[in-house]
Amino acid sequence: QKEVEQNSGPLSVPEGAIASLNCTYSDRGSQSFFWYRQYSGKSPELIMFIYSNGDKEDGRFTAQLNKASQYVSLLIRDSQPSDSATYLCAVPHNYGQNFVFGPGTRLSVLP
Amino acid sequence: DAGVIQSPRHEVTEMGQEVTLRCKPISGHDYLFWYRQTMMRGLELLIYFNNNVPIDDSGMPEDRFSAKMPNASFSTLKIQPSEPRDSAVYFCASSFGEGVYGYTFGSGTRLTVV
Repeated sequence: QKEVEQNSGPLSVPEGAIASLNCTYSDRGSQSFFWYRQYSGKSPELIMFIYSNGDKEDGRFTAQLNKASQYVSLLIRDSQPSDSATYLCAVPHNYGQNFVFGPGTRLSVLP
Repeated sequence: DAGVIQSPRHEVTEMGQEVTLRCKPISGHDYLFWYRQTMMRGLELLIYFNNNVPIDDSGMPEDRFSAKMPNASFSTLKIQPSEPRDSAVYFCASSFGEGVYGYTFGSGTRLTVV
């Protein structure tokens, strides 16, 4: 079973700041990485995925991947109170047939 | 599309009773997953199906848990007999292909066993 680790938080940032969420994984063979957002009492929803080393941008979100360091991060620019949620990092097991989820980082954006 | 539909949204039952959770995946999706989420253990995969066939049930905690997918549009997760430690949120998710674009989760069933 792959191990996916995240800081549980809470991570508190002021409104308008950049929030940086980090994830490390143990399996060097992992090829793709997913970020999910989960609001309290709701189900996880997919934000982004990344396959290649480097950065991938989607609106205010940027995913960064460094396979050599087995590290993936999610940056949220211009953080808003509506971004307050738990962010889950997920790594596919068995080439994408199922996911191992990290414990999640709780983000709080303060107005 | 209505998304992944789970029922019931909430279930409170007494220890020892049978509990059945239901899931309707997104039409056309060929993978279906059952996850359980608790504060202590996070999101854990219980079982997943491909084209209605169970592929990996190694996450099913005990023989008290069973899952079926009789057709492409319906799956059940059954706990018999239920125990207080089964209290959790149970999510169903579906995907097309091998999940290379991620999953879509249902709203979940919050199960409380008293």
